[in-house]
Amino acid sequence: NAGVTQTPKFRILKIGQSMTLQCAQDMNHNYMYWYRQDPGMGLKLIYYSVGAGITDKGEVPNGYNVSRSTTEDFPLRLELAAPSQTSVYFCASGGAGETQYFGPGTRLLVL
Amino acid sequence: QKEVEQDPGPLSVPEGAIVSLNCTYSNSAFQYFMWYRQYSRKGPELLMYTYSSGNKEDGRFTAQVDKSSKYISLFIRDSQPSDSATYLCAMNVGRGNNRLAFGKGNQVVVIP
Repeated sequence: NAGVTQTPKFRILKIGQSMTLQCAQDMNHNYMYWYRQDPGMGLKLIYYSVGAGITDKGEVPNGYNVSRSTTEDFPLRLELAAPSQTSVYFCASGGAGETQYFGPGTRLLVL
Repeated sequence: QKEVEQDPGPLSVPEGAIVSLNCTYSNSAFQYFMWYRQYSRKGPELLMYTYSSGNKEDGRFTAQVDKSSKYISLFIRDSQPSDSATYLCAMNVGRGNNRLAFGKGNQVVVIP
């Protein structure tokens, strides 16, 4: 089991560019999540999904979009990147239980 | 009032000491309590998972939950330099609602 995988590991974007952060899990989890983590601010939920075709907003969804066409994949789209989106992004997944399992993260720098 | 409060530290201890970490929370509906460990530049990894009040022990780690006081703790005995990391508490109400409320994390440094 690879668990939760994320690509890329690191990316530099220019202001106004777009990109997609990829997330995949091989644990057959229904629930998937995207978080951002800023220094001293903890983890903030961006979007989550309770199953293929179902997504919902978290605390900080502005500037992001998601889709969930399969159980395994949950990509996060950034449109018109802004410096405020400089952060570390974590994808997580969870099954019927109450825990979540995290990927290794994507470090994004917007200049 | 934030849902989950966690003193961010940092906390420096000598090797072999007991590390004590805690979180307080405001939502009395929380029933599932977790501690995650996050090494620098890595993703959080689940360390301990408890349901409702009580203690749970796993090797050098003990998690305690006191729902009446809305207070959870993590103890690390015989701390090692490899325990140097950020520890995040997390909790949720369960019953199909898997959204977690996180503390901000507490950085621990174990000095050899």
